[in-house]
Amino acid sequence: QKEVEQNSGPLSVPEGAIASLNCTYSDRGSQSFFWYRQYSGKSPELIMFIYSNGDKEDGRFTAQLNKASQYVSLLIRDSQPSDSATYLCAVYINTGNQFYFGTGTSLTVIP
Amino acid sequence: DTGVSQNPRHKITKRGQNVTFRCDPISEHNRLYWYRQTLGQGPEFLTYFQNEAQLEKSRLLSDRFSAERPKGSFSTLEIQRTEQGDSAMYLCASSLGGLGSPLHFGNGTRLTVT
Repeated sequence: QKEVEQNSGPLSVPEGAIASLNCTYSDRGSQSFFWYRQYSGKSPELIMFIYSNGDKEDGRFTAQLNKASQYVSLLIRDSQPSDSATYLCAVYINTGNQFYFGTGTSLTVIP
Repeated sequence: DTGVSQNPRHKITKRGQNVTFRCDPISEHNRLYWYRQTLGQGPEFLTYFQNEAQLEKSRLLSDRFSAERPKGSFSTLEIQRTEQGDSAMYLCASSLGGLGSPLHFGNGTRLTVT
């Protein structure tokens, strides 16, 4: 079982809609959770991180964490064509100071 | 803060040749990570340093790969006797360390082995 699982997509939403991206993780020792955006041919860019159960909002982005269900999500409100990218979920496990990445979800926002 | 810098951006080499990549982390970051990413996959951990000490190395990493971080500043990743399967994007990232301080990635080095 992989440490981090994401649906590869592709996920398509119309411009202005809410895009919902989901991620599950297997290690209950996971302590911190990250969302990265990656445009084709580019390196990952940090969007948000969350440590505690609940929601964390930053502009159009909301990260949600449920440690009991081992589930992290990212909501993108008012989606824009420029949001079209692959979104990577990552978890940090203190033992070994390791970050584990999912395979990413491809998002396309249709104008 | 000038960000994480990687050189070269692209490298094309013939099978069997050695290649070396360089990474300059964000100056105040004491942790430096190397990842490899192939198309359609997430970044795969290779190795990481805390200051100059290499603390972890992936079991998937063959002995053709070696990394150094002299003086705890920049780092180099060398691949000896390259194979076509080594073709990938090599990503360097740095962080402050501590409880899940985020990774900040460089632009990557894209390696093509012909």
